[in-house]
Amino acid sequence: DAGVIQSPRHEVTEMGQEVTLRCKPISGHDYLFWYRQTMMRGLELLIYFNNNVPIDDSGMPEDRFSAKMPNASFSTLKIQPSEPRDSAVYFCASSFLEETQYFGPGTRLLVL
Amino acid sequence: SQQGEEDPQALSIQEGENATMNCSYKTSINNLQWYRQNSGRGLVHLILIRSNEREKHSGRLRVTLDTSKKSSSLLITASRAADTASYFCAIQDSGSARQLTFGSGTQLTVLP
Repeated sequence: DAGVIQSPRHEVTEMGQEVTLRCKPISGHDYLFWYRQTMMRGLELLIYFNNNVPIDDSGMPEDRFSAKMPNASFSTLKIQPSEPRDSAVYFCASSFLEETQYFGPGTRLLVL
Repeated sequence: SQQGEEDPQALSIQEGENATMNCSYKTSINNLQWYRQNSGRGLVHLILIRSNEREKHSGRLRVTLDTSKKSSSLLITASRAADTASYFCAIQDSGSARQLTFGSGTQLTVLP
């Protein structure tokens, strides 16, 4: 299995632009998680899905952030409009039944 | 939500020595997990210990859990330069499905 796939790996954009991050979970996994990692705040859970349904989005910082999971093999995290404080590494992770989470390589986002 | 707190924040040792990292938490847990993150990479699951377990081993890793003290420790024996990474504990509390709350991590440096 290729593991969790994220794209793009790096994204540089200007303030006010829309940013879309993509994630393909491990085939057969029924949970998908989006995290954000910064030096100041560490690793924060933004939202997670179970069987494509959002379960808890209480970590989503603002209405500028939205996430979707249209099917079991794809999820997006969108920031619109982006701001410099959104600069971080965004991770997607998936899991199946057991509690272990498998992380993707992350998307390093820089908003200028 | 509660968060695991790792101690120390940074640890530097010589190759061949043992490394011990500690994690404390605040409420009841379902399980506690340890993850490793190499610089610029995603997190990798190392070991999971359930609330009814006291000790687990995996290769050179040994994890203990003391639910009365709400603490866990990760011991890496005979460390290698390749063990240089950040180590995170993650709490799955007894009230949540698959949600994990990560600590701030211990940066381990193993000097050759």
